[in-house]
Amino acid sequence: QQPVQSPQAVILREGEDAVINCSSSKALYSVHWYRQKHGEAPVFLMILLKGGEQKGHEKISASFNEKKQQSSLYLTASQLSYSGTYFCGTEEGPGTYKYIFGTGTRLKVLA
Amino acid sequence: NAGVTQTPKFRVLKTGQSMTLLCAQDMNHEYMYWYRQDPGMGLRLIHYSVGEGTTAKGEVPDGYNVSRLKKQNFLLGLESAAPSQTSVYFCASRPGTGFYEQYFGPGTRLTVT
Repeated sequence: QQPVQSPQAVILREGEDAVINCSSSKALYSVHWYRQKHGEAPVFLMILLKGGEQKGHEKISASFNEKKQQSSLYLTASQLSYSGTYFCGTEEGPGTYKYIFGTGTRLKVLA
Repeated sequence: NAGVTQTPKFRVLKTGQSMTLLCAQDMNHEYMYWYRQDPGMGLRLIHYSVGEGTTAKGEVPDGYNVSRLKKQNFLLGLESAAPSQTSVYFCASRPGTGFYEQYFGPGTRLTVT
């Protein structure tokens, strides 16, 4: 079952902040975040592992609450280039290989 | 380094026709994935492979078959296309489990009439 993302869509002005949430009904081993521009392939932003390790983008941060099976992506001081659709991707455990994406959040940043 | 490539980029099929989508990667990655993307549905996993000669079902495997005869290639087949298979198909690869992101191909836009 796909993780559920909220909100489904958000519109911001340049410089404003946004939070995108990803919630799963299953226990998670890792959460990955991607951004997709219209007509393009998804591009990696960040990985968060169970236990607190993370690797990713300098200007975008994220959190992973293992107990609640949730992750949040924090976009601060948004820029026009942040516009796109954001997806979380999840793995249930190391070695499960199966990689499931969330429903997506459309973000539009206006000048 | 071409990364992940997909062939073809666009295709129009008639109901009942068959076709094969090719995904190739030159990064020596172990894992490969096929997703379909429909408006409002995000990316849904069709099939995946954890190594040469292996395949497994994802969330929406019905109507599709896959093969991974060579490590660098992952083929997605539609034996009898249906209008419900109209979608954008993305292939992705990654080195293995752990701290690794997926690398995506540019996508194939398929229309079934």
